[in-house]
Amino acid sequence: KNQVEQSPQSLIILEGKNCTLQCNYTVSPFSNLRWYKQDTGRGPVSLTIMTFSENTKSNGRYTATLDADTKQSSLHITASQLSDSASYICVVRKTGGGNKLTFGTGTQLKVEL
Amino acid sequence: GAGVSQSPRYKVAKRGQDVALRCDPISGHVSLFWYQQALGQGPEFLTYFQNEAQLDKSGLPSDRFFAERPEGSVSTLKIQRTQQEDSAVYLCASSSGAGENTEAFFGQGTRLTVV
Repeated sequence: KNQVEQSPQSLIILEGKNCTLQCNYTVSPFSNLRWYKQDTGRGPVSLTIMTFSENTKSNGRYTATLDADTKQSSLHITASQLSDSASYICVVRKTGGGNKLTFGTGTQLKVEL
Repeated sequence: GAGVSQSPRYKVAKRGQDVALRCDPISGHVSLFWYQQALGQGPEFLTYFQNEAQLDKSGLPSDRFFAERPEGSVSTLKIQRTQQEDSAVYLCASSSGAGENTEAFFGQGTRLTVV
């Protein structure tokens, strides 16, 4: 069983609409969680990093939340644009776990006109 | 360079052939990682270097996989006697330090297809 689970697997929304992507993890002990955006044919690019003490963090139209008690995170995208079409991957790092990152399988987002 | 550079971008290998994938990390970055990404899946950890030292190779799937970073900069991932299940995108990432909050920057990947 993957230690980082994401939902939905895929999502189609209209341009200008908002959406929320979910990430549940069992990786422990927890160090931090990043949301990455991966465009087709490109490497992942970090959007936000959440540490244990942080509940909410925004980066432009992206807002990430973290509930370390329930081991859940979400990524909210507001006023979506066509360029937001990509795979969004939740990545969790262990404390003292070396530098091994555990990736979720991603949510494939498509924004349409 | 400005970012992590990987070459080749695409590689088609016949089953049984050896391949070598190259990663040029961001200049000065201490840490370097290799990941394997199967189609429709998230990346899976293969190995980690801190400078020239390979500190973690627990993710390498078999002894056919070998990685090196002899001078602490460029790294090569070698796969011997390729099999069809080796077909994937191989991503390289580098980071400036070893701290847990240090961001890893990824290259575009090498798409390996074994036929």
